[in-house]
Amino acid sequence: NAGVTQTPKFQVLKTGQSMTLQCAQDMNHNSMYWYRQDPGMGLRLIYYSASEGTTDKGEVPNGYNVSRLNKREFSLRLESAAPSQTSVYFCASSEGKVAGLKQETQYFGPGTRLLVL
Amino acid sequence: GNSVTQMEGPVTLSEEAFLTINCTYTATGYPSLFWYVQYPGEGLQLLLKATKADDKGSNKGFEATYRKETTSFHLEKGSVQVSDSAVYFCALILTGGSYIPTFGRGTSLIVHP
Repeated sequence: NAGVTQTPKFQVLKTGQSMTLQCAQDMNHNSMYWYRQDPGMGLRLIYYSASEGTTDKGEVPNGYNVSRLNKREFSLRLESAAPSQTSVYFCASSEGKVAGLKQETQYFGPGTRLLVL
Repeated sequence: GNSVTQMEGPVTLSEEAFLTINCTYTATGYPSLFWYVQYPGEGLQLLLKATKADDKGSNKGFEATYRKETTSFHLEKGSVQVSDSAVYFCALILTGGSYIPTFGRGTSLIVHP
């Protein structure tokens, strides 16, 4: 049971390049999330997927797109990277609503460190 | 809206000292409260939680009590260790709302031998 996995661990991009960050969970969770973490800013939600087939914007969605490929996988795409997107990106998952009860604990991946030059 | 306010860090302590990290919240409804910990180079992991007023969450020697009257969820530990050095995040989720947590900005704890 690996939990939440993210690839790559570290990436350097030039301004204008594109890339996709991959996330997968093996806990059969319904909900998945993408956050960015910047010094002094805590965690900010980029996008989330409450259930397979749905995605919604979070606090800072501009410059990003997401795909909930299936129940396990939730990818984050930067179409044209900018230096302001230099950050550490975390994927997380939670059970979501199960049998009418909300399971709220989030499980985080180890993060992807992205540097945009 | 909902918000979580944590004391600014870093908090620097000697081993075996008493730890308090303050957390207060504002919420439009009735929240569940959480403390997450992030060790260097890792993702966040749940440390403890409380889902209703006066509940006490505890784990690994850490405790926090859900105080509705003061809208607080302060984290405490009686005797910290060097291995407790990490960043601690307070968070809330509204019961009956979305599943989206509101996180505080995090408080860095540094414990010296």
